[in-house]
Amino acid sequence: AQSVTQPDIHITVSEGASLELRCNYSYGATPYLFWYVQSPGQGLQLLLKYFSGDTLVQGIKGFEAEFKRSQSSFNLRKPSVHWSDAAEYFCAVGAGDMRFGAGTRLTVKP
Amino acid sequence: DGGITQSPKYLFRKEGQNVTLSCEQNLNHDAMYWYRQDPGQGLRLIYYSQIVNDFQKGDIAEGYSVSREKKESFPLTVTSAQKNPTAFYLCASSMAGTDNSPLHFGNGTRLTVT
Repeated sequence: AQSVTQPDIHITVSEGASLELRCNYSYGATPYLFWYVQSPGQGLQLLLKYFSGDTLVQGIKGFEAEFKRSQSSFNLRKPSVHWSDAAEYFCAVGAGDMRFGAGTRLTVKP
Repeated sequence: DGGITQSPKYLFRKEGQNVTLSCEQNLNHDAMYWYRQDPGQGLRLIYYSQIVNDFQKGDIAEGYSVSREKKESFPLTVTSAQKNPTAFYLCASSMAGTDNSPLHFGNGTRLTVT
């Protein structure tokens, strides 16, 4: 069965610093991978997705993610974090019935 | 604008009562989903439906029921059998037939049962 692990429950970074959020997945075939962001009390917004091809995918708001099959990982990165990036981030793997990780809460220090 | 509407945003019920959460979409999506979100546990799949008049159980279907009589609507009933119903409930939709279709989410309903 497909599953997702996000090892970091909470991460704090300074504004302007780089960011990497970790995601490991378990899936029997070629995975369809997604990153979503959630502001408090809201639904989830899609940041980016990976289906096939180039293993480095670009998303909205300056985020990117790299698919590494050998490590079963799909880590999210941003070169310079803005205060407005503070939110909860979810990695997901999907094939009709999507499964989500437990999420990583990002705090941005001024 | 196309989107998913969940209503109400906040819902309060007494223990032992059934309650139905509304989810409507005008995106012309075939597939719809219900997730439950609890702190520290991410989103867990309750039920999903790929087509009208058909739906499948997700990982935590016990104590919940759904119907899919119209393409646009996928209401979720939280029954009195659900032991811990207080949670944030999210509805989503996607294009069916495409495994790589991302989900579009509503803004959620926060249910509190006392």
